[in-house]
Amino acid sequence: EVQLVQSGEEVKKPGESLKISCKGSGYSFNNYWIGWVRQMPGKGLEWMGIIYPGDSDTRNSPSFQGQVTISADKSISTAYLQWRSLKASDTATYYCARQLNGGYDLWGQGTLVTV
Amino acid sequence: QSVLTQPPSASGTPGQRVTISCSGSSSNIGSEPVNWYQQLPGTAPKFLIYGNNQRPSGVPDRFSGSKSGTSASLAISGLQSEDEADYYCAAWDDSLNGVVFGGGTKLTVL
Repeated sequence: EVQLVQSGEEVKKPGESLKISCKGSGYSFNNYWIGWVRQMPGKGLEWMGIIYPGDSDTRNSPSFQGQVTISADKSISTAYLQWRSLKASDTATYYCARQLNGGYDLWGQGTLVTV
Repeated sequence: QSVLTQPPSASGTPGQRVTISCSGSSSNIGSEPVNWYQQLPGTAPKFLIYGNNQRPSGVPDRFSGSKSGTSASLAISGLQSEDEADYYCAAWDDSLNGVVFGGGTKLTVL
């Protein structure tokens, strides 16, 4: 089955670090861009950035530049989103999604992060 | 404030046709294809329309997209109760060098 499976819900304190994951299966993970999207409680979707797992080429949204780090480990078909020091305003659900035809055709189930 | 502008809400009765608008600028909708997503309550977004008017496999033909200039629209015909969801437009923005989303439109089926 073609899917993206994200790591589970996290509850953290301000100032703590965090790394959440997104594992792809059922397709050639390394050959598709993976994007990260934030959805704050009761709010809309915000694009954070994308990564090409094959060579870790990364593009970050100016809105999130310096706030998070996007990375990938192609050997285990997994992309990551990382914070060094969480803030209460980072409380949100974070989605990873596969890019195809200029849009995002396959989504993970989301990871709820509560700070 | 979202870069792409959508009405916050829309509604219709079963069987009706509804449209949702999405307004942008020359750096996004005016020069890049528009995608649409459907988000049912408590679930991840679903790819609904890509390239302005193309439907991914499995999306019913009741859903259609169009674009003119710096605006785009999503039309849903034969409205059904299961269409009640949030709908988002999105496009690449050449000035911001990233994807921009609309603020979302909550569709209510009366």
